[in-house]
Amino acid sequence: EAGVTQSPTHLIKTRGQQATLRCSPISGHTSVYWYQQALGLGLQFLLWYDEGEERNRGNFPPRFSGRQFPNYSSELNVNALELEDSALYLCASSSLDRAGGYTFGSGTRLTVV
Amino acid sequence: DQQVKQNSPSLSVQEGRISILNCDYTNSMFDYFLWYKKYPAEGPTFLISISSIKDKNEDGRFTVFLNKSAKHLSLHIVPSQPGDSAVYFCAGNHGSSNTGKLIFGQGTTLQVKP
Repeated sequence: EAGVTQSPTHLIKTRGQQATLRCSPISGHTSVYWYQQALGLGLQFLLWYDEGEERNRGNFPPRFSGRQFPNYSSELNVNALELEDSALYLCASSSLDRAGGYTFGSGTRLTVV
Repeated sequence: DQQVKQNSPSLSVQEGRISILNCDYTNSMFDYFLWYKKYPAEGPTFLISISSIKDKNEDGRFTVFLNKSAKHLSLHIVPSQPGDSAVYFCAGNHGSSNTGKLIFGQGTTLQVKP
């Protein structure tokens, strides 16, 4: 069974540009979660999508947005990139088993120069 | 508001010895606690979880203990192996209000020396 896949692995953008990150959940998982891990920090919750709808978002500016497609894959868009947006962006999906936690992808390393 | 805290940024132990990673929380609404392991350039990998109604859960070399009165949990790894060297995150999962988000601690870097 394929795990959570993210693309691209690395992304380099210039300040002010837009970045688009993609995620495919595990087959059968309808929820997708996005987290940001900045250098030296823990994982910060960004967004939660379920059944195509945004269910919750973390304490991030509106520049961070996304969507979930009918096949449950998801995109994270970051507009007007700032240097501090440089981070590892992780996508996760889950089943309904709360004890099992989330399955994370390997992440997209975004570097803003 | 740091609801989950891992106060030790790093821990170093000798191979074969016990590793104990600690985590404190403030939110009484968590119904599950989870531990994740993360290698550089990889996503976190789920290790073990514990329900808030339990005080211990064991899976092979990994045991998690929960002390609700102290709002403290710990992960024990026995015996520690060099391959256990990684960053360990604890996380809390909300119960009654399904916010969809795990609240993570800052992580503890474990180094197991051969």
